[in-house]
Amino acid sequence: GAVVSQHPSRVICKSGTSVKIECRSLDFQATTMFWYRQFPKQSLMLMATSNEGSKATYEQGVEKDKFLINHASLTLSTLTVTSAHPEDSSFYICSATLAGEVQETQYFGPGTRLLVL
Amino acid sequence: QKEVEQNSGPLSVPEGAIASLNCTYSDRGSQSFFWYRQYSGKSPELIMFIYSNGDKEDGRFTAQLNKASQYVSLLIRDSQPSDSATYLCAVKKTGGGNKLTFGTGTQLKVEL
Repeated sequence: GAVVSQHPSRVICKSGTSVKIECRSLDFQATTMFWYRQFPKQSLMLMATSNEGSKATYEQGVEKDKFLINHASLTLSTLTVTSAHPEDSSFYICSATLAGEVQETQYFGPGTRLLVL
Repeated sequence: QKEVEQNSGPLSVPEGAIASLNCTYSDRGSQSFFWYRQYSGKSPELIMFIYSNGDKEDGRFTAQLNKASQYVSLLIRDSQPSDSATYLCAVKKTGGGNKLTFGTGTQLKVEL
């Protein structure tokens, strides 16, 4: 149980284009989903917290107009990187917490590797 | 001072030995603590969580928490080469909702 999927697993795009990444909880309803970014040899940096039906809460320094998050249902959140630039190349990982679980463990998706040329 | 601190390593241990991974945190009111394992190029996977002082065992893994010292550790018994990975300590801070603050991770190498 508690499986989270992401699509696509990797994407290469040209500078200036937009890229959408999907995060799905496959066998549970997710109270909250989180979006992280990880640069090589660095730890995970939280970008935003996403709750179904409400606006995402962005961390300080993360541009909400550049990283659009839509949380349409209890099993799906999407991150759109708008007008991507080479510096946006990174490993984007989502996680989800299981509704009703006391410790609110975050279960991670497999990640999406974005390369912007 | 970083909110969650880990020694980056690498920590090298021989196969079969006990690996001890340490983590300190700055927010004294933190409630829950998680250990994740991350293989190179992959996303983190949960090993275990702990929220009470003392030890918690799960198979070859033991998490130890000392809230007075603001210290949490992970012991891996009978280390295997497949345990070679980066181990991330994560803390759920007071007033942070269900957000996690991650350490930078400790790289563990289990040598044959």
